[in-house]
Amino acid sequence: AQTVTQSQPEMSVQEAETVTLSCTYDTSESDYYLFWYKQPPSRQMILVIRQEAYKQQNATENRFSVNFQKAAKSFSLKISDSQLGDAAMYFCAYRSAVNRDDKIIFGKGTRLHILP
Amino acid sequence: DSGVTQTPKHLITATGQRVTLRCSPRSGDLSVYWYQQSLDQGLQFLIQYYNGEERAKGNILERFSAQQFPDLHSELNLSSLELGDSALYFCASSVASSGGIYEQYFGPGTRLTVT
Repeated sequence: AQTVTQSQPEMSVQEAETVTLSCTYDTSESDYYLFWYKQPPSRQMILVIRQEAYKQQNATENRFSVNFQKAAKSFSLKISDSQLGDAAMYFCAYRSAVNRDDKIIFGKGTRLHILP
Repeated sequence: DSGVTQTPKHLITATGQRVTLRCSPRSGDLSVYWYQQSLDQGLQFLIQYYNGEERAKGNILERFSAQQFPDLHSELNLSSLELGDSALYFCASSVASSGGIYEQYFGPGTRLTVT
């Protein structure tokens, strides 16, 4: 079974600085997708960024980028120029590209605090 | 706004009771997923329906059941409720059933409190 591990329950970063959230996963599949979701205090789940495992190039969305290391099964999220609105719980997630279903497997989350 | 609606937003009920959570997917989406977010277990996949048929089951208790209706809305039924069932229940929808980088759009969730 696939698992997703986020080893940092909480992190803090100064506003305008850069922060990296870590994520590792375990799978025997060769084709899959990885995601970072943001859950602000409103509890809404918001997709931040996604990565297809067959793509070597790291995904980037404005201030958000990932460092995808397939061999190491590592998928970290870098947030540049942190803003107060980035304060939220961040979930790393995995989805198979070969299974009949496409359920998402989530990590336990990292709570990110932005210090003004 | 993801386009996925869930009702009710909050639900408070007693142990042993039965409740129904409702989800309306985005227009055009055929797949509906239910997830449970609790302090103990984190975010867990419960069940998926695609165009009215059950597609996948996760860690869903036997006391829980779901269905997807011809108009594609879905209901999650929770019975014989226990304190540990208190959680945030999310519904998500997507256009596809499997494969592809289709995004799952999450609803705002239903907060269930069992007292």
